Amino acid sequence: KAGVTQTPRYLIKTRGQQVTLSCSPISGHRSVSWYQQTPGQGLQFLFEYFSETQRNKGNFPGRFSGRQFSNSRSEMNVSTLELGDSALYLCASSLRGQGSGQQYFGPGTRLTVT
Amino acid sequence: AQKVTQAQTEISVVEKEDVTLDCVYETRDTTYYLFWYKQPPSGELVFLIRRNSFDEQNEISGRYSWNFQKSTSSFNFTITASQVVDSAVYFCALSEARASTASKLTFGTGTRLQVTL
Repeated sequence: KAGVTQTPRYLIKTRGQQVTLSCSPISGHRSVSWYQQTPGQGLQFLFEYFSETQRNKGNFPGRFSGRQFSNSRSEMNVSTLELGDSALYLCASSLRGQGSGQQYFGPGTRLTVT
Repeated sequence: AQKVTQAQTEISVVEKEDVTLDCVYETRDTTYYLFWYKQPPSGELVFLIRRNSFDEQNEISGRYSWNFQKSTSSFNFTITASQVVDSAVYFCALSEARASTASKLTFGTGTRLQVTL
């Protein structure tokens, strides 16, 4: 079974632009969560989608948004990029997202904002 | 609010030494899950173990073992006879057991383990 895939793997954007990152979960998994990893703040939860609905959200500004499609693939969007948005963005999928919380992570998208 | 503390920022050991990574957590929930993840230089988080708060039995998996003590809110991870391939950053994490929020992991700051020959 293929693991979680994220595209693109690397991205360089300019301050003020917007960016869309994509995540394809493990086949059959319906929950997708997104995390931001920076040297200063560590790993922080962004949001979780389950059956195309956002079920949980972390403490990030409204510039960070996401969505999930009927095939469980998810995208996250960051608008009006700031230098501080430079980070490794990790996506994780789980079967149901309930109870177990066991998640499988993708390789991440490394975003650099200049 | 939940919190996970990994006080050890970096640990260096020589191959074949045993090493213990500490994890202390805070939560108001009576039911929760604890995790350990490994992050090699490639960046992908690799799942190592999950424990339910009701199960305090220690676990051993090959060279890895975990000691869960609810009384001290600790979930420590020991690698026996460390190897160079164990070099990575290790994260301890906590999640609530409520259905709506179980997928939200609260991570510690990680411990970088360097194993040298």
